[in-house]
Amino acid sequence: EAQVTQNPRYLITVTGKKLTVTCSQNMNHEYMSWYRQDPGLGLRQIYYSMNVEVTDKGDVPEGYKVSRKEKRNFPLILESPSPNQTSLYFCASRTGTGGADTQYFGPGTRLTVL
Amino acid sequence: AQSVAQPEDQVNVAEGNPLTVKCTYSVSGNPYLFWYVQYPNRGLQFLLKYITGDNLVKGSYGFEAEFNKSQTSFHLKKPSALVSDSALYFCAVRARYNNNDMRFGAGTRLTVKP
Repeated sequence: EAQVTQNPRYLITVTGKKLTVTCSQNMNHEYMSWYRQDPGLGLRQIYYSMNVEVTDKGDVPEGYKVSRKEKRNFPLILESPSPNQTSLYFCASRTGTGGADTQYFGPGTRLTVL
Repeated sequence: AQSVAQPEDQVNVAEGNPLTVKCTYSVSGNPYLFWYVQYPNRGLQFLLKYITGDNLVKGSYGFEAEFNKSQTSFHLKKPSALVSDSALYFCAVRARYNNNDMRFGAGTRLTVKP
């Protein structure tokens, strides 16, 4: 089954404790993104990657890091989480062949930073 | 810069009645427009998209959307609502000149009552 998977689905942590949220897709998509969803704000792009070893900042990159060492994986790293990073996070992928291609989303990771 | 507005936080309709979820956008040039639906504890699922051509786009689950260039709108519609349509709906826009930037609206919660 074609899908985007994320782990963990739920995470409660404390301020300053480094964490990684994994994302993997099995559709051989070149393009992957991370979003955060906050009430009243919709989804905002954190980082995106156009291919292996090619990443760039989205609208809200502060406090986050990403890496793209393999085509299928795109982990999101919070080196020193803070309470304002409490949010619902989504990974997404698409073929990247053009602006009209459809983006596929993972199930989400609900992060709480105490 | 491109942006999307969903003017209604909440839409309530009775089962069997037609439904409309509104979306307006701001972008230079012709856009790509998308609708996604989010059910509780799930990721976003693609419903439909406008690329070019016919202004009426048909999508999944009986939904359709009408692209109106003069009013810069892309309203989502369904002739007869089901209780199972109750969910959070997001409109999104991607400019043709910027493949990397997809903007989402804040979302509209649709509630269909029996």
